[in-house]
Amino acid sequence: EAQVTQNPRYLITVTGKKLTVTCSQNMNHEYMSWYRQDPGLGLRQIYYSMNVEVTDKGDVPEGYKVSRKEKRNFPLILESPSPNQTSLYFCASSLSRNTGELFFGEGSRLTVL
Amino acid sequence: AQKVTQAQTEISVVEKEDVTLDCVYETRDTTYYLFWYKQPPSGELVFLIRRNSFDEQNEISGRYSWNFQKSTSSFNFTITASQVVDSAVYFCVLRGMNRDDKIIFGKGTRLHILP
Repeated sequence: EAQVTQNPRYLITVTGKKLTVTCSQNMNHEYMSWYRQDPGLGLRQIYYSMNVEVTDKGDVPEGYKVSRKEKRNFPLILESPSPNQTSLYFCASSLSRNTGELFFGEGSRLTVL
Repeated sequence: AQKVTQAQTEISVVEKEDVTLDCVYETRDTTYYLFWYKQPPSGELVFLIRRNSFDEQNEISGRYSWNFQKSTSSFNFTITASQVVDSAVYFCVLRGMNRDDKIIFGKGTRLHILP
């Protein structure tokens, strides 16, 4: 089954404790991206990657890192999480930048205390 | 700058009524995609439609229809004979193709269908 898989789905952590949210897709998609969803703000793009070893900042990249060492994986790294990073995070992929539809993971709800 | 405006934050209608969700966008790109996604209470994001900037044909899919007007930079979504299962948050999304590949979401419209 074609899908985008995020882990963990739910996480409660404390300020400053490094964490990684993994994202994996099995559709051989070139394009992957991360979003955060906050009440009243919709989804905002954090980082995106058009292919392996190519990453770019979205609108809200501060406090996050990403890497794209393999086509299927695009982990989101919070080196030193802070409470303002408490949010619902979505990973998405599409075949390429010219093929528009995004396929989303189920979301990861992160709470930073 | 790219921007998507969904002016209706929240709408409530009675079941079987028709409802239109508005979406206005701004972009300097000549080539772009517009999408609608649905987010039901369970939280996942469900793709509804994609439209590219060269195709201004309106589209109908069952009870759903979309009206794309480039002249007014609008891409409105109408649900005919609404049902309780249509209750969700709906996002209009812009993906520019000329410069960077940022994807811009509107803030969403929360739709309540009352039985």
